[in-house]
Amino acid sequence: NAGVTQTPKFQVLKTGQSMTLQCAQDMNHNSMYWYRQDPGMGLRLIYYSASEGTTDKGEVPNGYNVSRLNKREFSLRLESAAPSQTSVYFCASGGEGGFQETQYFGPGTRLLVL
Amino acid sequence: GEDVEQSLFLSVREGDSSVINCTYTDSSSTYLYWYKQEPGAGLQLLTYIFSNMDMKQDQRLTVLLNKKDKHLSLRIADTQTGDSAIYFCAELRAAGNKLTFGGGTRVLVKP
Repeated sequence: NAGVTQTPKFQVLKTGQSMTLQCAQDMNHNSMYWYRQDPGMGLRLIYYSASEGTTDKGEVPNGYNVSRLNKREFSLRLESAAPSQTSVYFCASGGEGGFQETQYFGPGTRLLVL
Repeated sequence: GEDVEQSLFLSVREGDSSVINCTYTDSSSTYLYWYKQEPGAGLQLLTYIFSNMDMKQDQRLTVLLNKKDKHLSLRIADTQTGDSAIYFCAELRAAGNKLTFGGGTRVLVKP
C-alpha cells in the first residue's frame, strides 16, 4: 500500500495563476481532508469530504475549491493564487469511526506564491 | 486562536525522558492523538488515546490524559536523536470527524 500520495511535491506560482493539487489514497477510506500548515499554527482544515460525492468547508476554505473525483481521489484547486496561500498543503484520509477515527497523512505539497 | 495549545520548544539530552504537554478546551473530545513530523515530511501517527482512558503505554511512549484539567502529555523514554521532530497533539471532537491541531512542539535531542 502506498497510503496517501500527493502531487506535486513542490510548486512555485505567480500571483493570479491557478493550479490543482492532487491527492489519492489506497486504503479504501470514505473520508478525505485537505489541510494547510503555516509556521506555529498547526494544521488548519480547508475542506473535507466525508464520502464520495460530498464535500464540506473546513476552517479556512476561502480561495480554494475541491473535487472528490471518486473514492480514491480528492483534489484541491486554487483558481487565482495569492501570496497568502504560500503554505504546505497536506492531504489526509481516514476518520471512519471507532479507533479508525485516525487520519493518515500524505507527504505534503510545498507551495510558494510570488 | 488555538483551541489546542502546546509549548513551542523542548530541548532534551539523549537518553533522558522527554515530556511534551498539550491542553485542549473541548470536553466533548472523543479521541486525542499525537503525531510526529520530521523535517520535510508529512505527519506520522504516533499514538492515540480514547477519552475514557487516563493512560496508554506503547513501547517508549506513554500518554497521560487528565480529562478534568483537559491536559494531555506524551512521555518519550530514553530519547534518541531520531526523536528530534515536531510533535503535534490533536483532538477529535464529538461533533463531526474533524481534527483540531495544536501548533506543534519542536523537540531537539542533544547528544
